[in-house]
Amino acid sequence: SQQGEEDPQALSIQEGENATMNCSYKTSINNLQWYRQNSGRGLVHLILIRSNEREKHSGRLRVTLDTSKKSSSLLITASRAADTASYFCATGGGADGLTFGKGTHLIIQP
Amino acid sequence: DSGVTQTPKHLITATGQRVTLRCSPRSGDLSVYWYQQSLDQGLQFLIQYYNGEERAKGNILERFSAQQFPDLHSELNLSSLELGDSALYFCASSARSGGYEQYFGPGTRLTVT
Repeated sequence: SQQGEEDPQALSIQEGENATMNCSYKTSINNLQWYRQNSGRGLVHLILIRSNEREKHSGRLRVTLDTSKKSSSLLITASRAADTASYFCATGGGADGLTFGKGTHLIIQP
Repeated sequence: DSGVTQTPKHLITATGQRVTLRCSPRSGDLSVYWYQQSLDQGLQFLIQYYNGEERAKGNILERFSAQQFPDLHSELNLSSLELGDSALYFCASSARSGGYEQYFGPGTRLTVT
C-alpha cells in the first residue's frame, strides 16, 4: 500500500520557473525522503528531512515538512531541462523498508 | 553513479521459469533492499537484508526469495514466473539498517512472456 501520495500527478512548466510538488502521508514518521527517477532508471536520493525539522535546503531544492498536517513539499527553483523526471516522497526505511508514493512526473519545457 | 550495481539489465523469460537477479551494494554498505516497480503497483518494498541476515519483509510473494552472501552481494530469486511479475526490480543499499537514505542500482527490467 502507498504511504505517501504526491500531488500533482503531473506538472509541466517552462524552464526557469519554480516547480512545487506536495506529498501527504498517513502515519507518524521519523523522517521523510525525496527521490528522483529519470525515465526507467534507478532512483536518486535528493534530500532527507527529519520529523523535528521544518525546512531543509540543498542547492536548488527546498523541502518543508508539516507533521501536524502529515504533509511535505518539494520546491525546485530555477528549473532546468535536466530536472525532467519523476519525483517520489518516501517514508519509513526502517523495519518495513521505504514506502513510496505514486510520484509526480515533472516536465520542463525548453 | 550510485555505486550499486545490478545484473542483468534486462531479462526476458517465459512463464513458469525461474530467474536470479544479482546486486552488489556500495562499498561498505551492510544493508541491501529489494524493490519492485510496476505500472499498477508502483514502487513496493520486497525484502531487506542486513549483514547477511534477513531484517524485514514487505510485499514479497512466496515464489520469491532472496539472500545476502558473506561478501554482501545479494540475489533475488523469482520462480514460477507469471506475466504479472514483469516489472523493474531495484536493489538499494544503505550504510545502516533503518531510517537512512538508500542508494539505488539501475535496476533489472524483467519481462515475462
